Amino acid sequence: QKEVEQNSGPLSVPEGAIASLNCTYSDRGSQSFFWYRQYSGKSPELIMFIYSNGDKEDGRFTAQLNKASQYVSLLIRDSQPSDSATYLCAVPQGGKLIFGQGTELSVKP
Amino acid sequence: GAGVSQSPSNKVTEKGKDVELRCDPISGHTALYWYRQSLGQGLEFLIYFQGNSAPDKSGLPSDRFSAERTGGSVSTLTIQRTQQEDSAVYLCASSYPMNTEAFFGQGTRLTVV
Repeated sequence: QKEVEQNSGPLSVPEGAIASLNCTYSDRGSQSFFWYRQYSGKSPELIMFIYSNGDKEDGRFTAQLNKASQYVSLLIRDSQPSDSATYLCAVPQGGKLIFGQGTELSVKP
Repeated sequence: GAGVSQSPSNKVTEKGKDVELRCDPISGHTALYWYRQSLGQGLEFLIYFQGNSAPDKSGLPSDRFSAERTGGSVSTLTIQRTQQEDSAVYLCASSYPMNTEAFFGQGTRLTVV
C-alpha cells in the first residue's frame, strides 16, 4: 500500500459544479494534512491544511478529515476554469512530507 | 528572503558531468526538503533536513546523489556523473519544524543531454 494515495484522474467537472478530490494515507499517527495545487509547469502551491477531524472551510475550498478512516478530501465549490490544475495531497510521515501522485482536475466552461 | 529561492532555474548538462543545485529557504525555516518531479509524474522525495539533526537521505536514488545544508540555511544538491534519467525538475521546500506548512521554490529544470 502506498503511503499516500490519490486517484490520478483526470477528473472533469462543469463550471459551477462541486469538485471532490480524495486522499487516503497509511500512517495512523499522522497529525497534519495539506492540499497543494500545481498548475502545469509551475511549483506546488499550498492551498489548505487541516489538523482536526471534521471540516475546514476557506472561501470556495473545504478540507474534510476523518482520521478513523485515514481519509482526507478537498471540495471545491463553484468550480472555475482557473481551478484546472493537479491537486496534491501531502502528509508528514516519519518526519518526511509525503505526497500523493496528484489528481488532475479539469473544469469545463 | 520572501520565499524559497532556487538556482539555477534551468540547467542543461552533458551526460557524465556533475551538477550542483542550490536552495535558499525562507528565513527561520528549520526544515528543508528536496523532491524530484519527472514529466507528468508526482513528487518523489529525495532528502529532508531538520535543524541540526542527521538528514533523512532515504529517498536518494543512488550514491551519485548527495546533499548538504550549511549553517542550517542554504542547501546544495549534487548529482555526480549525470545520466539522462536524471532529467527532471528538482524542487526544494522549507517549513518550520515538521508537521507544518511547507513552501516550494520555483524549481530547477535539469536536462541531461
